[in-house]
Amino acid sequence: GQQVMQIPQYQHVQEGEDFTTYCNSSTTLSNIQWYKQRPGGHPVFLIQLVKSGEVKKQKRLTFQFGEAKKNSSLHITATQTTDVGTYFCAGSDAGGTSYGKLTFGQGTILTVHP
Amino acid sequence: DAGVTQSPTHLIKTRGQQVTLRCSPKSGHDTVSWYQQALGQGPQFIFQYYEEEERQRGNFPDRFSGHQFPNYSSELNVNALLLGDSALYLCASSSDLWTGDTEAFFGQGTRLTVV
Repeated sequence: GQQVMQIPQYQHVQEGEDFTTYCNSSTTLSNIQWYKQRPGGHPVFLIQLVKSGEVKKQKRLTFQFGEAKKNSSLHITATQTTDVGTYFCAGSDAGGTSYGKLTFGQGTILTVHP
Repeated sequence: DAGVTQSPTHLIKTRGQQVTLRCSPKSGHDTVSWYQQALGQGPQFIFQYYEEEERQRGNFPDRFSGHQFPNYSSELNVNALLLGDSALYLCASSSDLWTGDTEAFFGQGTRLTVV
């Protein structure tokens, strides 16, 4: 079955430093979504990427979808303490029958030291 | 506009017991998916309901079953609870699109502890 791997598992940064998390799928994806989960909270949708090579920006966050639609990345510029949380990628496979089923990566836990 | 609501928020059950978790989807959404999130892990897909039928299922045993009602709300039932069933159970609702490409809105989850 489809597997989604995410690295690194943990990332500790000083406030102001950049942060990147990477996601790789064992199969070609129909789309990839990114979620943020604060400690004790639930996943909150950040963005969806659909097109090969797509790049989307949300303020300090930049999301990329690979040309082969099997990998993705999230980059945060100049981290702030409010960025703390676990970032998950979640892929929907390109089999045509996924009906929105999401396969999540293990997540990257980001801590930001002020 | 209420988002996805789940009940109860926390639950403690004894091994071997049965549990029912409930979910009301976001207004306008007709598809409900259930996920299990163990501590320190990403959510794992259990199953998805659409038009009151289980449309897709993840790699979970038959002890996990569900139901969707005409008003699109859903229940997740787990029989013969095991210690390993302790997790955060998340309900996600979405609006069904034939492409299947759609954002999921998650509820706050039900924290189930099996002792």
